[in-house]
Amino acid sequence: EPEVTQTPSHQVTQMGQEVILRCVPISNHLYFYWYRQILGQKVEFLVSFYNNEISEKSEIFDDQFSVERPDGSNFTLKIRSTKLEDSAMYFCASGGELGTGELFFGEGSRLTVL
Amino acid sequence: EDQVTQSPEALRLQEGESSSLNCSYTVSGLRGLFWYRQDPGKGPEFLFTLYSAGEEKEKERLKATLTKKESFLHITAPKPEDSATYLCAVQIRNTDKLIFGTGTRLQVFP
Repeated sequence: EPEVTQTPSHQVTQMGQEVILRCVPISNHLYFYWYRQILGQKVEFLVSFYNNEISEKSEIFDDQFSVERPDGSNFTLKIRSTKLEDSAMYFCASGGELGTGELFFGEGSRLTVL
Repeated sequence: EDQVTQSPEALRLQEGESSSLNCSYTVSGLRGLFWYRQDPGKGPEFLFTLYSAGEEKEKERLKATLTKKESFLHITAPKPEDSATYLCAVQIRNTDKLIFGTGTRLQVFP
């Protein structure tokens, strides 16, 4: 069964360092997303990406964040200068149709900022 | 402000003891309501989509229903493997993002 894969599963970094989280979405999907979940809190939308550009982003997704689809398979989230409050589980998701809400999530990348 | 509230926060059931989880929502214009299951340390797993009041969807021991203000996830004769956190999410018209509730953590004991 096709699945979304994410790497790394866990990353520990120092405050101010750059982090790149990687995702391989399901191969025939066209819509890509990043969500995050701070421990004990809701899953929160960060950004959606379609046709090689951001289609929607939340208030959380400020200038410190960027996304890229560098080739036909990978989808990355970069945090330029990490803050303590960026510590969270980051989930990549992909979908085959716009607006269905039926998303396939990866297992997540846990980011710990010290 | 668009909001999704789930109750109860946690639910402990004996195997075979049926119950319901609630998701109430206040949104500017509902496009769809979604139920996901999340196991510890994993990403959410899609269960159901509901688009209009009166709609029902079923899958094994789970049935989801929708009214104009809330959705219920009914669990009939649950088994220990149904233990997970159940997340409700809404999608607003003219947007692609999902707004999640905080979830209901379900534990089913043998």
